[in-house]
Amino acid sequence: ELKVEQNPLFLSMQEGKNYTIYCNYSTTSDRLYWYRQDPGKSLESLFVLLSNGAVKQEGRLMASLDTKARLSTLHITAAVHDLSATYFCAVLEYGNKLVFGAGTILRVKS
Amino acid sequence: KAGVTQTPRYLIKTRGQQVTLSCSPISGHRSVSWYQQTPGQGLQFLFEYFSETQRNKGNFPGRFSGRQFSNSRSEMNVSTLELGDSALYLCASSLSLQGPNSPLHFGNGTRLTVT
Repeated sequence: ELKVEQNPLFLSMQEGKNYTIYCNYSTTSDRLYWYRQDPGKSLESLFVLLSNGAVKQEGRLMASLDTKARLSTLHITAAVHDLSATYFCAVLEYGNKLVFGAGTILRVKS
Repeated sequence: KAGVTQTPRYLIKTRGQQVTLSCSPISGHRSVSWYQQTPGQGLQFLFEYFSETQRNKGNFPGRFSGRQFSNSRSEMNVSTLELGDSALYLCASSLSLQGPNSPLHFGNGTRLTVT
């Protein structure tokens, strides 16, 4: 059974600082997704990572995938308040079934 | 292009009742998945439908069921509601069947409260 672990679960950051969220998964998969969720809202897709060594960047967020280590990272550069949200990684198990991590609550303080 | 539409947005039901939630996928999307989100268990997969057939099912009791219509719209039903069924139910649609190269697109969810 595929398990996905995210850490940290809660992250309080100062504006302007950098930090990384980690996502480990237990069995082979070559598709990993990052989603953002604002309070009371649905999930917004951030990145789809399809292969080993994949790196994608959008604004202050950069995601990477190492399928051999079964690890993905979401790096936040020079955080701003607007990035405050909950971030989920999700791994494709089979078909269109995603297994989600517990989520990382990010709070950016000014 | 319209996104994934879920109705209703909010529901309050009493224990023992049943409830039906509806999901209209993005036009052209034939795969519809359902997820339950709770503070304690996080996001959990319920089931997935493609071309009116259930392809995958998560680890939920038989009280949870679903179906998909020929226009790809989907419904999920929960019978004999329990307090623990209170959750945000999210529907997601996708173009492809065997592992999407594009992400699942999620609707805004239905917030179900069981009292």
